[in-house]
Amino acid sequence: QLVLTQSPSASASLGASVKVTCTLSSGHSDYAIAWHQQQPEKGPRYLMRVNSDGSHTKGDGIPDRFSGSSSGAERYLIISNLQSEDEAEYYCQTWGSGFYVFGTGTTVTVL
Amino acid sequence: QLQLQESGPGLVKPSETLSLTCTVADGSINNSSYFWGWIRQPPGKGPEWIGSISHSGTTYSNPSLKSRVTIFVDASENQVSLKLSSVTAADTAVYYCAKTFGVVVAWGQGTLVTVSS
Repeated sequence: QLVLTQSPSASASLGASVKVTCTLSSGHSDYAIAWHQQQPEKGPRYLMRVNSDGSHTKGDGIPDRFSGSSSGAERYLIISNLQSEDEAEYYCQTWGSGFYVFGTGTTVTVL
Repeated sequence: QLQLQESGPGLVKPSETLSLTCTVADGSINNSSYFWGWIRQPPGKGPEWIGSISHSGTTYSNPSLKSRVTIFVDASENQVSLKLSSVTAADTAVYYCAKTFGVVVAWGQGTLVTVSS
Protein backbone atom coordinates (compact mmCIF):
# COMPACT_ATOMS: atom_id res chain seq x y z
CA GLN A 1 0.00 0.00 0.00
CA LEU A 2 1.28 3.42 -1.00
CA VAL A 3 1.68 5.57 2.12
CA LEU A 4 3.63 8.75 2.82
CA THR A 5 4.92 9.38 6.35
CA GLN A 6 5.86 12.82 7.68
CA SER A 7 7.02 14.03 11.08
CA PRO A 8 4.37 16.24 12.68
CA SER A 9 6.60 19.24 13.27
CA ALA A 10 9.92 20.91 12.56
CA SER A 11 11.38 24.22 13.69
CA ALA A 12 14.37 26.45 13.20
CA SER A 13 15.41 30.00 13.90
CA LEU A 14 14.87 32.90 11.56
CA GLY A 15 17.61 32.82 8.91
CA ALA A 16 18.58 29.20 9.63
CA SER A 17 17.78 26.08 7.60
CA VAL A 18 15.19 23.39 8.17
CA LYS A 19 14.80 19.96 6.57
CA VAL A 20 11.38 18.32 6.22
CA THR A 21 11.23 14.59 5.52
CA CYS A 22 8.69 12.48 3.66
CA THR A 23 9.13 8.69 3.69
CA LEU A 24 7.65 6.42 1.04
CA SER A 25 6.25 3.06 2.10
CA SER A 26 8.06 -0.19 1.40
CA GLY A 27 8.23 -1.10 -2.26
CA HIS A 28 7.76 2.46 -3.47
CA SER A 29 11.21 3.94 -2.93
CA ASP A 30 11.56 4.90 -6.62
CA TYR A 31 8.48 7.14 -6.64
CA ALA A 32 8.64 10.87 -7.24
CA ILE A 33 6.78 13.14 -4.85
CA ALA A 34 5.65 16.75 -4.74
CA TRP A 35 5.90 19.24 -1.88
CA HIS A 36 3.08 21.67 -1.19
CA GLN A 37 3.02 24.62 1.20
CA GLN A 38 -0.10 25.76 3.01
CA GLN A 39 0.22 29.00 4.92
CA PRO A 40 -2.35 29.74 7.62
CA GLU A 41 -5.83 30.44 6.26
CA LYS A 42 -4.67 29.91 2.67
CA GLY A 43 -4.95 27.17 0.08
CA PRO A 44 -2.03 24.88 -0.77
CA ARG A 45 0.67 25.98 -3.19
CA TYR A 46 2.82 23.64 -5.28
CA LEU A 47 6.49 24.04 -4.41
CA MET A 48 8.34 21.34 -6.33
CA ARG A 49 8.56 17.81 -7.59
CA VAL A 50 11.39 15.66 -6.18
CA ASN A 51 12.50 12.59 -8.11
CA SER A 52 14.15 9.46 -6.73
CA ASP A 53 17.53 10.59 -8.04
CA GLY A 54 17.28 13.81 -6.04
CA SER A 55 16.59 16.07 -9.00
CA HIS A 56 13.78 18.53 -8.47
CA THR A 57 11.57 20.85 -10.53
CA LYS A 58 10.16 23.89 -8.82
CA GLY A 59 6.93 25.69 -9.49
CA ASP A 60 6.77 29.20 -10.91
CA GLY A 61 7.98 31.88 -8.55
CA ILE A 62 9.28 29.56 -5.84
CA PRO A 63 12.31 31.20 -4.17
CA ASP A 64 15.77 29.70 -4.56
CA ARG A 65 15.96 29.03 -0.83
CA PHE A 66 13.54 26.13 -1.33
CA SER A 67 15.22 22.97 -2.59
CA GLY A 68 14.68 19.23 -2.62
CA SER A 69 16.72 16.04 -2.41
CA SER A 70 16.32 12.26 -2.00
CA SER A 71 17.93 9.35 -0.20
CA GLY A 72 16.46 5.89 -0.64
CA ALA A 73 12.79 6.05 0.28
CA GLU A 74 13.14 9.50 1.85
CA ARG A 75 12.35 12.74 0.08
CA TYR A 76 13.42 16.04 1.57
CA LEU A 77 12.36 19.64 1.45
CA ILE A 78 15.10 22.00 2.54
CA ILE A 79 14.31 25.60 3.35
CA SER A 80 17.39 27.79 3.71
CA ASN A 81 17.49 31.29 5.19
CA LEU A 82 14.16 30.65 6.90
CA GLN A 83 11.72 33.58 6.77
CA SER A 84 8.66 34.33 8.87
CA GLU A 85 6.39 33.69 5.89
CA ASP A 86 7.74 30.12 5.67
CA GLU A 87 5.82 29.24 8.83
CA ALA A 88 3.26 26.89 7.34
CA GLU A 89 2.06 23.33 6.92
CA TYR A 90 4.01 21.31 4.36
CA TYR A 91 2.49 18.28 2.65
CA CYS A 92 4.13 15.70 0.44
CA GLN A 93 2.08 13.97 -2.26
CA THR A 94 2.57 11.19 -4.77
CA TRP A 95 0.54 8.99 -7.08
CA GLY A 96 0.43 5.42 -8.28
CA SER A 97 -1.96 3.41 -10.47
CA GLY A 98 -4.24 6.42 -10.79
CA PHE A 99 -4.43 6.93 -7.03
CA TYR A 100 -3.15 10.08 -5.38
CA VAL A 101 -1.82 10.07 -1.81
CA PHE A 102 -0.98 12.87 0.61
CA GLY A 103 1.24 12.79 3.66
CA THR A 104 -0.16 13.90 7.00
CA GLY A 105 1.71 17.18 6.92
CA THR A 106 4.58 18.80 8.82
CA THR A 107 4.11 22.06 10.68
CA VAL A 108 7.18 24.26 10.29
CA THR A 109 7.66 26.85 13.01
CA VAL A 110 10.04 29.78 12.75
CA LEU A 111 11.59 30.44 16.14
CA GLN B 1 -1.72 34.23 -12.93
CA LEU B 2 -4.67 32.25 -11.63
CA GLN B 3 -5.18 29.21 -13.82
CA LEU B 4 -7.93 27.30 -11.99
CA GLN B 5 -11.19 28.75 -10.62
CA GLU B 6 -13.78 26.72 -8.73
CA SER B 7 -17.44 27.73 -8.63
CA GLY B 8 -20.64 26.34 -7.18
CA PRO B 9 -23.02 26.53 -4.22
CA GLY B 10 -21.48 27.09 -0.81
CA LEU B 11 -24.32 25.32 1.01
CA VAL B 12 -25.79 21.91 0.21
CA LYS B 13 -28.47 20.05 2.14
CA PRO B 14 -27.84 16.55 3.49
CA SER B 15 -28.69 13.73 1.05
CA GLU B 16 -28.49 16.11 -1.92
CA THR B 17 -25.82 16.29 -4.64
CA LEU B 18 -22.85 18.64 -4.45
CA SER B 19 -21.96 20.13 -7.85
CA LEU B 20 -18.84 22.14 -8.57
CA THR B 21 -17.19 23.43 -11.74
CA CYS B 22 -13.56 24.31 -12.36
CA THR B 23 -12.65 26.68 -15.19
CA VAL B 24 -9.16 26.27 -16.62
CA ALA B 25 -8.01 29.71 -17.72
CA ASP B 26 -4.97 28.97 -19.87
CA GLY B 27 -6.46 26.44 -22.31
CA SER B 28 -4.23 23.61 -21.14
CA ILE B 29 -7.29 21.41 -20.59
CA ASN B 30 -6.69 19.94 -24.05
CA ASN B 31 -3.09 19.04 -23.28
CA SER B 32 -2.96 15.26 -23.11
CA SER B 33 -0.08 15.40 -20.60
CA TYR B 34 -2.34 16.55 -17.78
CA PHE B 35 -5.03 15.09 -15.60
CA TRP B 36 -7.49 17.35 -13.79
CA GLY B 37 -8.34 16.51 -10.24
CA TRP B 38 -10.58 17.37 -7.34
CA ILE B 39 -9.17 17.44 -3.82
CA ARG B 40 -10.93 18.39 -0.63
CA GLN B 41 -9.78 19.48 2.80
CA PRO B 42 -12.13 19.24 5.80
CA PRO B 43 -11.69 21.94 8.44
CA GLY B 44 -8.50 21.34 10.43
CA LYS B 45 -7.48 18.28 8.41
CA GLY B 46 -5.15 17.44 5.55
CA PRO B 47 -6.00 17.20 1.85
CA GLU B 48 -7.94 14.19 0.53
CA TRP B 49 -7.92 13.24 -3.14
CA ILE B 50 -11.40 12.78 -4.61
CA GLY B 51 -10.74 11.86 -8.23
CA SER B 52 -9.09 12.82 -11.52
CA ILE B 53 -9.90 12.92 -15.23
CA SER B 54 -7.95 13.30 -18.46
CA HIS B 55 -9.06 15.52 -21.34
CA SER B 56 -10.22 12.37 -23.13
CA GLY B 57 -12.38 11.29 -20.20
CA THR B 58 -10.29 8.63 -18.46
CA THR B 59 -11.22 8.81 -14.79
CA TYR B 60 -9.86 7.61 -11.46
CA SER B 61 -11.62 8.01 -8.13
CA ASN B 62 -10.79 7.53 -4.47
CA PRO B 63 -12.20 4.09 -3.58
CA SER B 64 -13.70 5.51 -0.40
CA LEU B 65 -15.84 7.92 -2.44
CA LYS B 66 -16.08 6.15 -5.79
CA SER B 67 -19.74 5.15 -5.56
CA ARG B 68 -20.77 8.78 -5.03
CA VAL B 69 -18.36 10.61 -7.35
CA THR B 70 -18.84 11.70 -10.96
CA ILE B 71 -16.18 13.75 -12.72
CA PHE B 72 -16.50 14.97 -16.29
CA VAL B 73 -14.74 17.36 -18.62
CA ASP B 74 -16.12 19.85 -21.14
CA ALA B 75 -13.10 20.77 -23.21
CA SER B 76 -15.07 23.24 -25.34
CA GLU B 77 -15.80 25.26 -22.21
CA ASN B 78 -12.40 24.60 -20.58
CA GLN B 79 -14.21 23.16 -17.59
CA VAL B 80 -13.95 20.16 -15.29
CA SER B 81 -16.93 19.32 -13.10
CA LEU B 82 -17.51 17.32 -9.94
CA LYS B 83 -20.70 15.79 -8.63
CA LEU B 84 -20.79 14.14 -5.19
CA SER B 85 -24.08 12.51 -4.34
CA SER B 86 -25.82 11.74 -1.04
CA VAL B 87 -23.76 14.22 0.94
CA THR B 88 -23.57 14.31 4.72
CA ALA B 89 -21.97 16.70 7.20
CA ALA B 90 -18.73 14.72 6.76
CA ASP B 91 -18.49 16.11 3.24
CA THR B 92 -18.14 19.67 4.55
CA ALA B 93 -14.78 20.86 3.28
CA VAL B 94 -12.89 23.28 1.08
CA TYR B 95 -12.92 21.76 -2.40
CA TYR B 96 -9.96 22.40 -4.70
CA CYS B 97 -9.53 21.88 -8.40
CA ALA B 98 -6.02 20.72 -9.33
CA LYS B 99 -3.85 20.30 -12.40
CA THR B 100 -1.73 17.17 -12.24
CA PHE B 101 1.26 15.90 -14.13
CA GLY B 102 1.73 12.82 -12.04
CA VAL B 103 2.01 15.06 -9.03
CA VAL B 104 -0.27 18.03 -8.39
CA VAL B 105 1.38 21.02 -10.08
CA ALA B 106 -1.28 23.68 -9.60
CA TRP B 107 -4.17 24.32 -7.23
CA GLY B 108 -7.26 26.44 -7.53
CA GLN B 109 -8.02 28.86 -4.72
CA GLY B 110 -10.65 26.50 -3.32
CA THR B 111 -14.30 26.88 -2.43
CA LEU B 112 -15.89 26.08 0.92
CA VAL B 113 -18.89 23.77 0.75
CA THR B 114 -20.95 23.31 3.88
CA VAL B 115 -23.44 20.48 4.19
CA SER B 116 -26.26 21.56 6.45
CA SER B 117 -30.03 21.71 6.51
